[in-house]
Amino acid sequence: EDQVTQSPEALRLQEGESSSLNCSYTVSGLRGLFWYRQDPGKGPEFLFTLYSAGEEKEKERLKATLTKKESFLHITAPKPEDSATYLCAVRTSGTYKYIFGTGTRLKVLA
Amino acid sequence: EPEVTQTPSHQVTQMGQEVILRCVPISNHLYFYWYRQILGQKVEFLVSFYNNEISEKSEIFDDQFSVERPDGSNFTLKIRSTKLEDSAMYFCASSEAGTNYNEQFFGPGTRLTVL
Repeated sequence: EDQVTQSPEALRLQEGESSSLNCSYTVSGLRGLFWYRQDPGKGPEFLFTLYSAGEEKEKERLKATLTKKESFLHITAPKPEDSATYLCAVRTSGTYKYIFGTGTRLKVLA
Repeated sequence: EPEVTQTPSHQVTQMGQEVILRCVPISNHLYFYWYRQILGQKVEFLVSFYNNEISEKSEIFDDQFSVERPDGSNFTLKIRSTKLEDSAMYFCASSEAGTNYNEQFFGPGTRLTVL
């Protein structure tokens, strides 16, 4: 069965304290791995798409990487406004179905 | 900046009643999706829609659910006979064709409460 697991469930960082969020996946064939940010009471906001192992994408303080089994979202020198839930999702071969993980709730303290 | 809109923001209904949730996707997008998120749980895929037909649906999307694009701009999700367990946040999303088709833009959601 296709699965997406995110860790940790929650993370508290001091402003400026860099860290990484993990998304591990087990799928029959990967057609894309996606990172989203979700603020409370709002819809997910697209961040990145990764398609193949070794691929990296960057946006401001965020960098996403992909291996054959997992993806990392690295947050460099986070600010309080980076506080949100970060969601990972995958799309598997031959489908238009997207499977989400349960997310990592990030809190950055000033 | 173009955005996906959803109405209503909150819908309260009695068990067994029909509800229609409405979405206006971004105008040049061709792929449309519905997701739900039960409070405190993960986002769950319901259905994807392209070229006026369902391209994929999940096990959740049973005969009680239907989708429609009635007029070329709106995209609706109908639940025929609501159950208590249908209470959730429902998100609509859309994406364009071509190389960015996986980049989904989500609406703000409709909170459905079934009493």
